[in-house]
Amino acid sequence: DAGITQSPRHKVTETGTPVTLRCHQTENHRYMYWYRQDPGHGLRLIHYSYGVKDTDKGEVSDGYSVSRSKTEDFLLTLESATSSQTSVYFCAISEHGQGGSQPQHFGDGTRLSIL
Amino acid sequence: GQSLEQPSEVTAVEGAIVQINCTYQTSGFYGLSWYQQHDGGAPTFLSYNALDGLEETGRFSSFLSRSDSYGYLLLQELQMKDSASYFCATRSYNTDKLIFGTGTRLQVFP
Repeated sequence: DAGITQSPRHKVTETGTPVTLRCHQTENHRYMYWYRQDPGHGLRLIHYSYGVKDTDKGEVSDGYSVSRSKTEDFLLTLESATSSQTSVYFCAISEHGQGGSQPQHFGDGTRLSIL
Repeated sequence: GQSLEQPSEVTAVEGAIVQINCTYQTSGFYGLSWYQQHDGGAPTFLSYNALDGLEETGRFSSFLSRSDSYGYLLLQELQMKDSASYFCATRSYNTDKLIFGTGTRLQVFP
């Protein structure tokens, strides 16, 4: 299995608080992605990174920011959490871009509840 | 815009064959991928079709028809452990992003 670790695995917090989720990989892959998964919506891309300090927005990026200061770590931050951001968050990595041809490997997910 | 449509749920019995369809609308096309996700688990890559035709990997096969903007995942000799959600995905035009369908939940009964 690809070496991807998400932390924390579960978190409960209150509306308005900042939250940071961490994705750590040991594969030295260039590409890293953050998705959220909600019932009826499948996996939706929040942000992704194509290298250290290189990031781009996905389809549901509002309210989220990311940072990648090292190849192995990709952080997702909710500056001021809202109840609509309650979701399961998955990190994924890919050795190459053009994600259709190269498989993405997913972490085990973070279940985030915002009360 | 780009979208992928899948049936929300499919049911079958052990030992049977089931087909999960995916139709897509994309600006440009970069192949179709399939992922499996068990309840509470992470998605895992199953297969990828760049060209028309059938790709076989053990009990699972994936088919693509680019002229029909259509693909399917075929699961043979179904086992209880195949109960999971299945997602088709394709690359967003001229980017490194994957777009996923909303997923098909497969329930296998004894």
